[in-house]
Amino acid sequence: KAGVTQTPRYLIKTRGQQVTLSCSPISGHRSVSWYQQTPGQGLQFLFEYFSETQRNKGNFPGRFSGRQFSNSRSEMNVSTLELGDSALYLCASFLTEGQGGGAEAFFGQGTRLTVV
Amino acid sequence: AQKITQTQPGMFVQEKEAVTLDCTYDTSDQSYGLFWYKQPSSGEMIFLIYQGSYDEQNATEGRYSLNFQKARKSANLVISASQLGDSAMYFCAMREGLIGGSNYKLTFGKGTLLTVNP
Repeated sequence: KAGVTQTPRYLIKTRGQQVTLSCSPISGHRSVSWYQQTPGQGLQFLFEYFSETQRNKGNFPGRFSGRQFSNSRSEMNVSTLELGDSALYLCASFLTEGQGGGAEAFFGQGTRLTVV
Repeated sequence: AQKITQTQPGMFVQEKEAVTLDCTYDTSDQSYGLFWYKQPSSGEMIFLIYQGSYDEQNATEGRYSLNFQKARKSANLVISASQLGDSAMYFCAMREGLIGGSNYKLTFGKGTLLTVNP
């Protein structure tokens, strides 16, 4: 069974540009979450989607947005990039308890975004 | 206030010895889950072990065990017989409102960098 797949793995963007990151969850998983990891702030929750609906949102500005498609794949978008957006962005998928899953999240390898 | 506190930024251990990584947590929920993840330099977060707040036995998974002390709100990870491949960042995380809720948000600690020496 394939794991969580994130693309691209590495990305370099210029300040002011926008970027879209993609996440394909484990087959059958309908909950997808996004996290930002930086050396200073650690791992911070961005948002979580289930069945194409955003259920939870972290404390990030509106420049950060996401969506989920009917096949559970998710994208996150960051507009008007700032230097401080440089980070490792991790996607996680859950098989929810309602689907018979356990409590743990399964993570992808992340997308390392560098803003110059 | 920090919900997850890992007080050891770095730890060193000799190969084949046991090591304990500390984690304390703060929640007012009765139903919650505690997790440990390993993050090698490649970046992927690897799930190691899980403890539910209602579980009476400490969780074990191979060489990993979780020392759960509910009254003290601690969930320490014990790695037995350390291997060179165990060198990585280790994160403690919590998920609140576990039973019957729709909360799939994990709150992470700052992590502990474990180095296993040969």
